[in-house]
Parts: sequence; structure tokens; C-alpha cells
Amino acid sequence: DARVTQTPRDKVTEMGQEVTMRCQPILGHNTVFWYRQTMMQGLELLAYFRNRAPLDDSGMPKDRFSAEMPDATLATLKIQPSEPRDSAVYFCASGWGLSTDTQYFGPGTRLTVL
Amino acid sequence: AQSVAQPEDQVNVAEGNPLTVKCTYSVSGNPYLFWYVQYPNRGLQFLLKYITGDNLVKGSYGFEAEFNKSQTSFHLKKPSALVSDSALYFCAGDSYQKVTFGIGTKLQVIP
Repeated sequence: DARVTQTPRDKVTEMGQEVTMRCQPILGHNTVFWYRQTMMQGLELLAYFRNRAPLDDSGMPKDRFSAEMPDATLATLKIQPSEPRDSAVYFCASGWGLSTDTQYFGPGTRLTVL
Repeated sequence: AQSVAQPEDQVNVAEGNPLTVKCTYSVSGNPYLFWYVQYPNRGLQFLLKYITGDNLVKGSYGFEAEFNKSQTSFHLKKPSALVSDSALYFCAGDSYQKVTFGIGTKLQVIP
């Protein structure tokens, strides 16, 4: 049963610290999405990659957030420096990238910045 | 521009009664519409999607959705609600390979 995995599941850190979240997409999927979920904003698309290339990162604060895919089995989302307003659940999803395709979500990383 | 709207923050329904979770869309081109469900502390799970063809789409766990082009709606339905259906439901629309999610509707099924 193929699944998207994310690590860590929970992260508590202090303001100013660097945070790195990792995602392993389903093998064979060529598109990876990063979302942020908060009570106030709901589910926001931060960035997405196709064939490891960034296609759209317009939803991501550029000054502190960065997203990469070092290889086809790993996507990372980094926040440096972190701020309390970054506290949220961050989801990774993968798929084949067509408009008609389903996205498969990971369990999320719950980030708390104190 | 594209968007999907879920007009209800929360829907309460008694167990055994039919349920409807509403979604309206505004997308350019051919709309591809999805419903996802999120259980507590879990990621979103796919329920069903409309691509083309029959306006009534059947999905997982007994859910179905009706695509209505004239009303630009894609409401999620189930004939008989279960307590285990209580969760957060998201409508999503995809056009030109960019997906937009609604704000989510919390469904509470009361025993």
C-alpha cells in the first residue's frame, strides 16, 4: 500500500531556529505539492514540483521559506528563521500532475514555533 | 481566476439521515472537481472526482456528488449518514493544472 511519508510528524521549536520538513512521495509520482493548513486560512498551496523542477512557489514567503527536491524520492521544505506565525500543519502530496489526477496526501508535520 | 466555495463552516446531521455538503465553483475552461475528506490528525484522502460524462459521480464510503453546470455546483451527498462520517470535507477544483481547495466544511453526524 503505497503512501506519502513525512517527517517529523511533530516539531516544536523556538523562534529564529531553522526547521526542515521532509517528504517521500509515492514511487513513480512526478509531481509533489507542499501545503500549509491553519484554522484561519484553511489549506494553502505553498509550492509544487514536477519532475523535481519547481513550477510554482508563488504561495511561499520567499524571504524565509525554501523548497527543494534533491532527488525523486525526497522533497524538503525549509524555514529559516522560523516565526510563531509559521505554526501550522504542513502537508506534502504527490501525484502525476495532470488536472484530472488525484493528489495523495501525507500525514502532515505539525509545527509549533514558540 | 478560479475558485471553489464551501458556504457552510459546519453541517450537522442525525445518524441515518441523508447528508449534503455544498460546493460551488468558478473556474475557467473545463472544470475538474474533487472531494477530499480529512479525519482528525490525518492527511486528506480522496473521495471522488468529476472529469466529464455522467453528472452523478460515485465515490468511496457510499458518497456521491452531482455536477450541475447551470448552478456551478458540485454538492457531496450520502443517503444515510454514519457517525464515522464525521470529519472535515474539502471541495477542490483544478483548471490549467492548478488546484484550488475550498475552506472546508466540518460534518458532524449526531448519534
